[in-house]
Amino acid sequence: DTAVSQTPKYLVTQMGNDKSIKCEQNLGHDTMYWYKQDSKKFLKIMFSYNNKELIINETVPNRFSPKSPDKAHLNLHINSLELGDSAVYFCASSRTSGVSYEQYFGPGTRLTVT
Amino acid sequence: RKEVEQDPGPFNVPEGATVAFNCTYSNSASQSFFWYRQDCRKEPKLLMSVYSSGNEDGRFTAQLNRASQYISLLIRDSKLSDSATYLCVVTSSGGSYIPTFGRGTSLIVHP
Repeated sequence: DTAVSQTPKYLVTQMGNDKSIKCEQNLGHDTMYWYKQDSKKFLKIMFSYNNKELIINETVPNRFSPKSPDKAHLNLHINSLELGDSAVYFCASSRTSGVSYEQYFGPGTRLTVT
Repeated sequence: RKEVEQDPGPFNVPEGATVAFNCTYSNSASQSFFWYRQDCRKEPKLLMSVYSSGNEDGRFTAQLNRASQYISLLIRDSKLSDSATYLCVVTSSGGSYIPTFGRGTSLIVHP
């Protein structure tokens, strides 16, 4: 079974559209994250949710809105897509209640905005 | 100064070589340290955690130097399959645990 899964794997869309990316983890973790990896391969955290509550919200345009219906899911909705949003988006999860905070990543969603 | 810095490389080494990467961090309150590996067009995967006393996992050795605020990764007897980007991750606690990734060091192992 896949520990952290994301859908879709590839997403090609036009500027101005609204799209969502879904993420699910079956590891029993209480914290989930969204990262953006740009063309220069820099992996930057966007959001983090702990037990369905937002705990990290880095400088991200408000066109990006995360939604966590439960501990196992963290979806990312993007409004009015722009060319600069093209990147690979990774979902991840971790346990933050213990000593170790290793993160487990999903396979990524490659978003291309044309 | 960037929070987590790595030499982007690439480090180009022959099979069997020993190679070492360093990663410096700026937040002295950092608590957890990791090395991740990322293959081309794949997700990052945990390689190893870094403990204060240093730790070893097969051909890989990780060390932490809190005084100088850096962590290191040593790879012995490099294999072709070690070719990847190695990401340093530092987690700080300021009420929430914030992981910060370095930009990664590219390793190319050639025959």
